[in-house]
Amino acid sequence: DARVTQTPRHKVTEMGQEVTMRCQPILGHNTVFWYRQTMMQGLELLAYFRNRAPLDDSGMPKDRFSAEMPDATLATLKIQPSEPRDSAVYFCASGLVRTGIHEQYFGPGTRLTVT
Amino acid sequence: QKEVEQDPGPLSVPEGAIVSLNCTYSNSAFQYFMWYRQYSRKGPELLMYTYSSGNKEDGRFTAQVDKSSKYISLFIRDSQPSDSATYLCATGLFFTGGGNKLTFGTGTQLKVEL
Repeated sequence: DARVTQTPRHKVTEMGQEVTMRCQPILGHNTVFWYRQTMMQGLELLAYFRNRAPLDDSGMPKDRFSAEMPDATLATLKIQPSEPRDSAVYFCASGLVRTGIHEQYFGPGTRLTVT
Repeated sequence: QKEVEQDPGPLSVPEGAIVSLNCTYSNSAFQYFMWYRQYSRKGPELLMYTYSSGNKEDGRFTAQVDKSSKYISLFIRDSQPSDSATYLCATGLFFTGGGNKLTFGTGTQLKVEL
C-alpha cells in the first residue's frame, strides 16, 4: 500500500529556529505539493513541483520559506527563521494524473508549534 | 471571497441518517470536482471525483454537481459513526501538461452519533 511519508510528525521549536520538514512521495508520482492547514485558513498551497522542478511557490512567504526537491524520493520544506504564526499542520501530497484529472494523495502531516 | 466555499459546520446527525454536504464555487472554468475526507489528526484522503453535471455513486457515497449553479454536493447514505470526519471539496482544471492545482474548500465537520 503506497503512501506519502512525512517526517517529523510533530515539531516544537522556539521562535527564530530553523525548521526542516521532509516528504517522501509515492514512487512513480511526478508532482509534489506542500500545503499548510490552519483552522482559520483551511488548506493553503505553499509550493508545487512537477518532475522535481518548482512550478508554483506563490503561496509561500519567500523571505523565510524555501522548498526543494533534491531527488525524486525527497522533498523538503524549510522555515528560517520560524515565527509563532507559522504554527500549523504542514502536509505534503504527491500527485498522479489520470485521464486529465490530477489526483493528489496526502501524507500524515507535520504538526509544527513555534513558541 | 474564496473561490470555493463550504459551511464549516459542525453538522451532527444520528446514525443511519442521509447526510448532505455542500460547496459552492465561483469560477465557472473549473472542470472537475473532488471530495476528500479528513479524520482528526490525519491527512486528507481522496474519496471520489466527478467531472460532469449529474450524479456519481460509489457505495454509500454520491457526488452531485450542478455546473449551472456552481454547486457541488456529497450525499452519504446510511451514515455510520466511522463517517465522522471533516469533508473537503476541491475543484480543478483538466491537466494540460503545465501547472495544475486543486482549489480546496475549508471543509465541513461531520459527526455521526450513535
